[in-house]
Amino acid sequence: NAGVTQTPKFQVLKTGQSMTLQCAQDMNHEYMSWYRQDPGMGLRLIHYSVGAGITDQGEVPNGYNVSRSTTEDFPLRLLSAAPSQTSVYFCATRSVGQSNQPQHFGDGTRLSIL
Amino acid sequence: AQKITQTQPGMFVQEKEAVTLDCTYDTSDQSYGLFWYKQPSSGEMIFLIYQGSYDEQNATEGRYSLNFQKARKSANLVISASQLGDSAMYFCAMREGGYSTLTFGKGTMLLVSP
Repeated sequence: NAGVTQTPKFQVLKTGQSMTLQCAQDMNHEYMSWYRQDPGMGLRLIHYSVGAGITDQGEVPNGYNVSRSTTEDFPLRLLSAAPSQTSVYFCATRSVGQSNQPQHFGDGTRLSIL
Repeated sequence: AQKITQTQPGMFVQEKEAVTLDCTYDTSDQSYGLFWYKQPSSGEMIFLIYQGSYDEQNATEGRYSLNFQKARKSANLVISASQLGDSAMYFCAMREGGYSTLTFGKGTMLLVSP
């Protein structure tokens, strides 16, 4: 009963390095999204997808790329990491069939950029 | 203008007392949903309660209830009979129209004392 799985849980990068944060879900949810959480800022939407092959930008997309080739996976790529991208990253999924369905969150990835 | 405003950065309550966490929202959509999530110190995001804009009754889930005042655009979370385990960060979030994306407030840290 995995739900939403994020890997890795922790990562330290040097400025300029690239990295992919993985998100996988086994609930067949159409909607998947990435948020970042910074102290005092709540959660802010980075990118989202409403199905395989469809992605769109959220509130803070700069510096991040996404793709959605399957229903199950929605990786988030940092092409050239910057210290401002130090944050906790959450992947969330949702079934779009019913309006009262909440988003299901992964456990998060803590990313530090030195 | 912020779409979700949580004006209480921190709240203190004694065990077994009730507490109200404030949330006001801003939207021009007629169809929207309001969600509350709990984030304990372990970091995961836990869905608590949902209120739809067309729901005529306030939502309740166990010790959680939502005081929904549509005309005032407020959706306050009420926790009855607080427990030590309720100590956490609480986020209010809104989904507008047919979109699945959520906009989060900045959160309220609740501390429950014995």
